[in-house]
Amino acid sequence: AQTVTQSQPEMSVQEAETVTLSCTYDTSESDYYLFWYKQPPSRQMILVIRQEAYKQQNATENRFSVNFQKAAKSFSLKISDSQLGDAAMYFCAYRSPEGNEKLTFGTGTRLTIIP
Amino acid sequence: DGGITQSPKYLFRKEGQNVTLSCEQNLNHDAMYWYRQDPGQGLRLIYYSQIVNDFQKGDIAEGYSVSREKKESFPLTVTSAQKNPTAFYLCASRNSRGRVTDTQYFGPGTRLTVL
Repeated sequence: AQTVTQSQPEMSVQEAETVTLSCTYDTSESDYYLFWYKQPPSRQMILVIRQEAYKQQNATENRFSVNFQKAAKSFSLKISDSQLGDAAMYFCAYRSPEGNEKLTFGTGTRLTIIP
Repeated sequence: DGGITQSPKYLFRKEGQNVTLSCEQNLNHDAMYWYRQDPGQGLRLIYYSQIVNDFQKGDIAEGYSVSREKKESFPLTVTSAQKNPTAFYLCASRNSRGRVTDTQYFGPGTRLTVL
């Protein structure tokens, strides 16, 4: 079974600085999808970024980018120019390409932005 | 305005009562999901449905039931058999056709408290 590990329960960063959130996963599959979701105080899960495992190029969405290391099974999220609105819980998630529909989530990292 | 709606936002239940959580989407998505979130944990899959009139159990289906009579709707019933139902419940949907088919989008959630 796949597992997702986020080893940083809490992180903090100064406004306008850069922060990296870590995620590792365990799988025997070669093709899969990885996601970072943000959960602000409203508790709605918002997709931040997605990565297809067969793509070597790291995904980027504006200030958000990932460092995807397939061999190391690592999928970290980098937030550049941190803003107060980035404060939230961040969850890493794994999905198989077919069959099993579920997303397997990590336990989350709470990110605090220091003004 | 397309999206996923969940109602109610807050729900209180007495022990021994069944309650039904509503999830509606107007995104024309085929697949729908129910997740449960407990404090300090990621989301865990309760049930999912890939098409109308069909659904499968997830990892923690005991004490829950669902129906999928319409494409737009996927209600979740928390029965009295669920031993610890107090949690935050999130509904999600996914477009299983088109260019991007791997991403699940979430509703705003329902907080269920058993008194």
